[in-house]
Amino acid sequence: GAVVSQHPSWVICKSGTSVKIECRSLDFQATTMFWYRQFPKQSLMLMATSNEGSKATYEQGVEKDKFLINHASLTLSTLTVTSAHPEDSSFYICSAYETGTYGYTFGSGTRLTVV
Amino acid sequence: GENVEQHPSTLSVQEGDSAVIKCTYSDSASNYFPWYKQELGKGPQLIIDIRSNVGEKKDQRIAVTLNKTAKHFSLHITETQPEDSAVYFCAVPLQSYKYIFGTGTRLKVLA
Repeated sequence: GAVVSQHPSWVICKSGTSVKIECRSLDFQATTMFWYRQFPKQSLMLMATSNEGSKATYEQGVEKDKFLINHASLTLSTLTVTSAHPEDSSFYICSAYETGTYGYTFGSGTRLTVV
Repeated sequence: GENVEQHPSTLSVQEGDSAVIKCTYSDSASNYFPWYKQELGKGPQLIIDIRSNVGEKKDQRIAVTLNKTAKHFSLHITETQPEDSAVYFCAVPLQSYKYIFGTGTRLKVLA
């Protein structure tokens, strides 16, 4: 089946620094990928839709200048959390949609802790 | 917009018993209904899904039922085992392929 690889699985960074998270579709091409954020004991909240070769579409309330998304190829999308602050600490998860199927495949998630 | 309600939020069952989780949605145009299992510190994994042209789908101990008239679908887990303990999410896709997730159900299977 489809596999989505997400790295790193966890990262600790200092306040004010930037962190990049990668999401790769390993055995299929993904023209669309999604980035979610999940706080402890809560559901997944969609942050943005990443479109290959074009600008990402952000959900209401998500700062596009803080959460930079790049989808430069059909198998890779990156999320960069810029000038991270402790309130950005969360579990970030990507998912990819394989054309011709219905289900999405999720990455394993990245636990970001900003100290 | 689409609204998805999921109940219960927590569920504890004895090993071997059945567990049922229900989701209610609002958009009658929705035609695909997946269920995801999320273990601690991991991303969600698709465990079963159903399309709107069928009323029930089963895969070993897991089944999903759909009532399009009432706009709800349910996850059924029979003969529960400790490894079934996890958080389960239903989801309803919008026409733009975005997912709206339910609020999640924390299932505990007691040995």
